[in-house]
Amino acid sequence: GAVVSQHPSRVICKSGTSVKIECRSLDFQATTMFWYRQFPKQSLMLMATSNEGSKATYEQGVEKDKFLINHASLTLSTLTVTSAHPEDSSFYICSASLPTGLNTEAFFGQGTRLTVV
Amino acid sequence: AQSVTQPDIHITVSEGASLELRCNYSYGATPYLFWYVQSPGQGLQLLLKYFSGDTLVQGIKGFEAEFKRSQSSFNLRKPSVHWSDAAEYFCAVGGLASSASKIIFGSGTRLSIRP
Repeated sequence: GAVVSQHPSRVICKSGTSVKIECRSLDFQATTMFWYRQFPKQSLMLMATSNEGSKATYEQGVEKDKFLINHASLTLSTLTVTSAHPEDSSFYICSASLPTGLNTEAFFGQGTRLTVV
Repeated sequence: AQSVTQPDIHITVSEGASLELRCNYSYGATPYLFWYVQSPGQGLQLLLKYFSGDTLVQGIKGFEAEFKRSQSSFNLRKPSVHWSDAAEYFCAVGGLASSASKIIFGSGTRLSIRP
């Protein structure tokens, strides 16, 4: 199956700083990637849809200026948490899909645990 | 609006017993349905998926699920659970905005195994 890799797997940052999380499709090109956030003991909530070469589409309630998404290539999407606060501490997971028509399954990265201190 | 409901927050079953985790969905068209498992602190693993065809879907680790359109359900079953099955299970629906890979997750069911 297709492989999606996230980096880093864990990160600790200080309040007020920014942190970047990378999501890579290793063996396929992904025109669309998705970013999810999971708070402890809760479900995964879709944050945004990342489209290669265009602006991301954010779900209602997600601050686009705080969670910057860049999908500059067909194999890489990045999520930057800007001016991080402790309440941003969460598990962030990305997913990517094969181009439409070939397979409609989403492949998930292993997640990034962000702790803001 | 599309939604997924997992009515059971936490289930405990004895090792070797059968298991059924419930999932109901609300979706206007034919949904793509998934079951994922997540171990503590880990990412997601796809157990099985339904896109079309046979409504009884076989997955990995001995799991199966049955799509019942009339009941809007996609319950996950396993005839005999193992201690290693203890984890969080998420039912999910895709096919949103013409993209099966845009997925909405249910709230999850935590499975505990009694020795």
